Amino acid sequence: GDSVTQMEGPVTLSEEAFLTINCTYTATGYPSLFWYVQYPGEGLQLLLKATKADDKGSNKGFEATYRKETTSFHLEKGSVQVSDSAVYFCALSDWGRRALTFGSGTRLQVQP
Amino acid sequence: EADIYQTPRYLVIGTGKKITLECSQTMGHDKMYWYQQDPGMELHLIHYSYGVNSTEKGDLSSESTVSRIRTEHFPLTLESARPSHTSQYLCASSDGSVPNEKLFFGSGTQLSVL
Repeated sequence: GDSVTQMEGPVTLSEEAFLTINCTYTATGYPSLFWYVQYPGEGLQLLLKATKADDKGSNKGFEATYRKETTSFHLEKGSVQVSDSAVYFCALSDWGRRALTFGSGTRLQVQP
Repeated sequence: EADIYQTPRYLVIGTGKKITLECSQTMGHDKMYWYQQDPGMELHLIHYSYGVNSTEKGDLSSESTVSRIRTEHFPLTLESARPSHTSQYLCASSDGSVPNEKLFFGSGTQLSVL
């Protein structure tokens, strides 16, 4: 079945450091891929998405490229801020599935 | 941006009590979901609905029940709460069709059963 695997956290970075959070997936079809972010005390919100191979999703300085050959959708940001501290979830949506399949989440802590 | 509301935000109750977690959305979405989030942050789908009078169980077995009498309202009920039900419960609604749908989440209810 479909699954999403994320790197374990927490990831601790200093402000202005480069961020990569790895995400790989397994799917039987041609899924759409998403990154959701959960700030402390809040629900999840969509950060970015890509719907087909080689698409790049981007938002708020974050970006991720849909790589079909490596079944990956790694999240990157060139310079993180303290306000980026949150939990990041990779997810996929595939035909025939009733809901998104989420990864286990990666906590990011950015120190000033 | 999100117009989906959950109440209460925090609930502490004793074992054996009946509780209802409320979830309402004003976006007219047909699809709604309940997720249970464990302390390790992982999300587990416990219920979903594709419209009025449509409810299905999710991937994770749950003793809770749901109803969908109105499009905007999707409450979750526990008839007899136990400490094992202590968790964060997140409600969500969807604006489209698989595979391109976007989920909108409420802020969650943190339930603690003593």
